Amino acid sequence: SYELTQPPSVSVSPGQTARITCSGDALPKQYAYWYQQKPGQAPVLVIYKDSERPSGIPERFSGSSSGTTVTLTISGVQAEDEADYYCQSADSSGTYPWVFGGGTKLTVL
Amino acid sequence: QVQLVESGGGVVQPGRSLRLSCAASGFSFSSYGMHWVRQAPGKGLEWVAVIRYDGSNKHYADSVKGRFTISRDNSKNTLYLQMNSLRAEDTAVYYCAGRVVGANTVFDYWGQGTLVTVSS
Repeated sequence: SYELTQPPSVSVSPGQTARITCSGDALPKQYAYWYQQKPGQAPVLVIYKDSERPSGIPERFSGSSSGTTVTLTISGVQAEDEADYYCQSADSSGTYPWVFGGGTKLTVL
Repeated sequence: QVQLVESGGGVVQPGRSLRLSCAASGFSFSSYGMHWVRQAPGKGLEWVAVIRYDGSNKHYADSVKGRFTISRDNSKNTLYLQMNSLRAEDTAVYYCAGRVVGANTVFDYWGQGTLVTVSS
């Protein structure tokens, strides 16, 4: 099977920049997507196709890609951004069209 | 507006079966692929299965292959997940979901989930 690797946790102070990475061998060939999930809620898409931002998502959310690593960047972090963040992509063969990273807990200090 | 409503969750004994449903409204259900994604208590998201818009192609996670079956009835705008030979590790909130990506747009849709508890 295919795996995406994320750090379990990231902590930042309000107003600072948070960066959450996701690594996977197929990421140079497959787009990455980022979801935000708050307790008791369904996931919300915050980045698609590596770096595109859906309508309604604040501009402080951005994404980038470099080789086998993609990065979600949250600039000027706000208290409301505290949540779990999951990257999602696919394996190179298409056998596993959706694969999720293990998730990163973003704590706003 | 777009709505996905899962149902059919509950408490079931190990080895038994359960069928989940996901009723869709507010969009052209029959035009889009659909996924099931689950989340065990306190754990991360795990993809379970996907079905093509017309039901012609399906893929499963290794953890459920041979035990779970995804299907859909486009005349009823409903997605299903038949779960057989349930195990304790299948305990999770099950979400139906999907995503359609355009040139510079995205349509991402998730239900609120239904809880399945496998316990004796």
